[in-house]
Amino acid sequence: AQKITQTQPGMFVQEKEAVTLDCTYDTSDPSYGLFWYKQPSSGEMIFLIYQGSYDQQNATEGRYSLNFQKARKSANLVISASQLGDSAMYFCAMREGRDYKLSFGAGTTVTVRA
Amino acid sequence: ETGVTQTPRHLVMGMTNKKSLKCEQHLGHNAMYWYKQSAKKPLELMFVYSLEERVENNSVPSRFSPECPNSSHLFLHLHTLQPEDSALYLCASSQELGGSGRYNEQFFGPGTRLTVL
Repeated sequence: AQKITQTQPGMFVQEKEAVTLDCTYDTSDPSYGLFWYKQPSSGEMIFLIYQGSYDQQNATEGRYSLNFQKARKSANLVISASQLGDSAMYFCAMREGRDYKLSFGAGTTVTVRA
Repeated sequence: ETGVTQTPRHLVMGMTNKKSLKCEQHLGHNAMYWYKQSAKKPLELMFVYSLEERVENNSVPSRFSPECPNSSHLFLHLHTLQPEDSALYLCASSQELGGSGRYNEQFFGPGTRLTVL
């Protein structure tokens, strides 16, 4: 079964607007971590933001914030004030317990329009 | 050089060729990973090394052969590949293997775009 589901294959957003990327996950482990990565066309996966299952507050990193709804098992990424440089593929990933394995979703392509 | 580097960035090879992908990390990490990224599929973990010892071989065909001579370098030796092996191959490293929290996040290289003719 898919551990990470990203249902939006592609999205368009106007420059300076906010965009929300959906991510739902499936795990029975009470301890887990959720990661978001950005992959521009150059190929490198760039870490954006992390949310732990026991974290009381939603994670924020600059223009990135994570809308963590534990009961719904969702961890949506919000990018505020989109910039042209935000055009990329975005991946949600999960690590369960103390395991080293990251389970990735299929990704969402974001295209920012001027 | 900083972070994780990979060479070559692009590689085109025939099915009978033998080639190698190289990954080097300059972060002092002890764990290294090979991933395969095919179009429209999630990243697939191929191999994991911790302190130069292989700890994961995720049902990868024997035509892919990893080598980790030291904690800073990781190779992926390729021979008699198939066209379906064409993909982006990503290398990553982390401080240690496993752990909780953001600790042990994986840092990725830019990848090698492989095309098998």
